[in-house]
Amino acid sequence: KQEVTQIPAALSVPEGENLVLNCSFTDSAIYNLQWFRQDPGKGLTSLLLIQSSQREQTSGRLNASLDKSSGRSTLYIAASQPGDSATYLCAVKADSGGGADGLTFGKGTHLIIQP
Amino acid sequence: DTGVSQDPRHKITKRGQNVTFRCDPISEHNRLYWYRQTLGQGPEFLTYFQNEAQLEKSRLLSDRFSAERPKGSFSTLEIQRTEQGDSAMYLCASSISPAFFGQGTRLTVV
Repeated sequence: KQEVTQIPAALSVPEGENLVLNCSFTDSAIYNLQWFRQDPGKGLTSLLLIQSSQREQTSGRLNASLDKSSGRSTLYIAASQPGDSATYLCAVKADSGGGADGLTFGKGTHLIIQP
Repeated sequence: DTGVSQDPRHKITKRGQNVTFRCDPISEHNRLYWYRQTLGQGPEFLTYFQNEAQLEKSRLLSDRFSAERPKGSFSTLEIQRTEQGDSAMYLCASSISPAFFGQGTRLTVV
């Protein structure tokens, strides 16, 4: 059974800092990995999608990397802003025929950016 | 609005009552997913549809839960004889790669 772990569970940093969120997964037979943002009481917004054949994806100040063989991904946020405060979730999709079609999520990292 | 729509946004019900939630996916997406999220946890997969066919159900989906997607458009999730443990956010997602989520329905069972 796939398990996804996110470290740290919570993080509070001053505005302007660069930061790294970590995600690890136990079964490397994944189809892709997504990073999501969730604001309190709201749904999820997909930030970055990395296919299993890719090493990284970038969008603005966000960069996500994937090391499939070691079961790890990182989300790098550059020049953090108070508006980045949210919970960040990592999710993996199993390779076709390898498991449930749904996504398996970690518990998230609760991020607070102090003004 | 071309996003995923869920209704209602909030539902408070008494234990033992039945509740039904609705999800309207993005119109051109033929896959629709239901997830449940409890406080401090990531979403957990419940079930998914491709068009009108329900192709997979998680073991989390007890026999009190039923989901439908008539005509492959909107979907409903019904919970019968609600229990306090059913209190959670119920999320609907359209497509999967990437996944487009609705705002969720927050269920509170009192």
